[in-house]
Amino acid sequence: GQQLNQSPQSMFIQEGEDVSMNCTSSSIFNTWLWYKQDPGEGPVLLIALYKAGELTSNGRLTAQFGITRKDSFLNISASIPSDVGIYFCAGQLVLRAGNMLTFGGGTRLMVKP
Amino acid sequence: GAVVSQHPSRVICKSGTSVKIECRSLDFQATTMFWYRQFPKQSLMLMATSNEGSKATYEQGVEKDKFLINHASLTLSTLTVTSAHPEDSSFYICSARGRRESPLHFGNGTRLTVT
Repeated sequence: GQQLNQSPQSMFIQEGEDVSMNCTSSSIFNTWLWYKQDPGEGPVLLIALYKAGELTSNGRLTAQFGITRKDSFLNISASIPSDVGIYFCAGQLVLRAGNMLTFGGGTRLMVKP
Repeated sequence: GAVVSQHPSRVICKSGTSVKIECRSLDFQATTMFWYRQFPKQSLMLMATSNEGSKATYEQGVEKDKFLINHASLTLSTLTVTSAHPEDSSFYICSARGRRESPLHFGNGTRLTVT
C-alpha cells in the first residue's frame, strides 16, 4: 500500500522559532491534509490542499502541495507554547471506487517557553 | 465548520463486557464514517470504513465480530467492542466525511480501559 514518510519524528524548539515539517510519498495523492492532535483528543484539521503547487496559509501556518503530488510541507512561524502537539500529514486519493486516506507517522512538537 | 461528536470520551469496563461508542456528525450528513485506533505515540490505524445503510468494510487483521459497526443514519455511526479484553484498551477515534472529496473531520476520541 501507499507509504507516507513524515519527518522529523519530533522537534524540541524554543518559543519564537519557526518550524518546518514535511511528508513524502511513494505515490501521488490528489489532496494533502495537515492535522494537529492535542493529548487525549482527536486530530483537528489545520489545512487542506487540493492542487499541485498550491500554497495555503492559516494564520501562522503555511502548507504547500508539492508539484509532483508526492510531497507536502507545513511551516509554523514564530512558535508559541500552545503549538505543542502532534502534527499529522495525510494524503487522500479520491477514486471512483472510493477514497484512500493515508496518514504519516506524526511529528511531535515541543516548545520551550 | 464540520463538527464530529464522539461519546463517551472515557470509559472503563470490566473484561468480558461490551462497550458502545457513538460518533455523530452534528452539522453535516456523513455518508462515510471511519473508525481508527491509536496506540500511544503512534499514528492512527484505520480499523474500518462504514457507509450509511451498508455493511462496514474492515481492514485486514481487524475482527469484525469483535468490533461491531453500525451506521444506521447519515449522522450516526456506532462501534461496539464486544467481550472486551485488556488488550483492547486503546484510544478509539471516529471521523466523518460529507462529500467524497471533502477532508475528514475527527471526533475527540474515546479512551477505553479494560480492567
